[in-house]
Amino acid sequence: QVQLVQSGSELKNPGASVRVSCKASGYTFTDYAINWVRQAPGQGLEWMGWINTKTGNPTYAQGFTGRFVFSLDTSVNTAYLQISSLKAEDTAVYYCARPNWNFPGWRWSDPWGQGTLVTVSS
Amino acid sequence: QSVLTQPPSLSAAPGQKVTISCSGSSSNIGNNFVSWYQQLPGTAPKLLIFENNKRPSGIPDRFSGSKSGTSATLGITGLQTGDEADYYCGTWDSSLSAWVFGGGTKLTVL
Repeated sequence: QVQLVQSGSELKNPGASVRVSCKASGYTFTDYAINWVRQAPGQGLEWMGWINTKTGNPTYAQGFTGRFVFSLDTSVNTAYLQISSLKAEDTAVYYCARPNWNFPGWRWSDPWGQGTLVTVSS
Repeated sequence: QSVLTQPPSLSAAPGQKVTISCSGSSSNIGNNFVSWYQQLPGTAPKLLIFENNKRPSGIPDRFSGSKSGTSATLGITGLQTGDEADYYCGTWDSSLSAWVFGGGTKLTVL
């Protein structure tokens, strides 16, 4: 079945970096984009941006430029989110999700990964 | 502040019907398809409704969606305690070139 499986929880010190992985299975990886969505503790869903899995071109939402990098390894059907210079306010659950196609203006996202909790604390 | 506006919370008794509204503008809901997501406590969001009113396989027909102008609505009939969750609407915003969500509605079934 179509699924996205993310890497496990991370505990990081402020100023460190973290990489979250999102491994796809059950479909042709390069036929669909990958979205990244953040959910801070007790808060709603916040779209971070997306990556075109055919071209590798990332697009970042407002507020997610500079310290956030989306990347791919198509040989293992995996998308990555890297966050550098971590701050306490980066503490959140990060989700990957698959839109219904590989270009902007998608109509829905399904499935979603199970989420990765990143905790930034000294 | 979310681009799409949802009521923060709603409550209803088991067996009752509830509707959750999602209000936007011509740049998002008015000209794009709406999807709805259910997030049970401690779990990832799950697609509930796509293209305004279609249900993925496995989603019971107690859940329905509709859209009119710049607003969308999620309906749930025959409420069950297992429906207690956060519900989010989402759509593409053509002006922002961004996928936008409502702030979420916490549904309590009591």
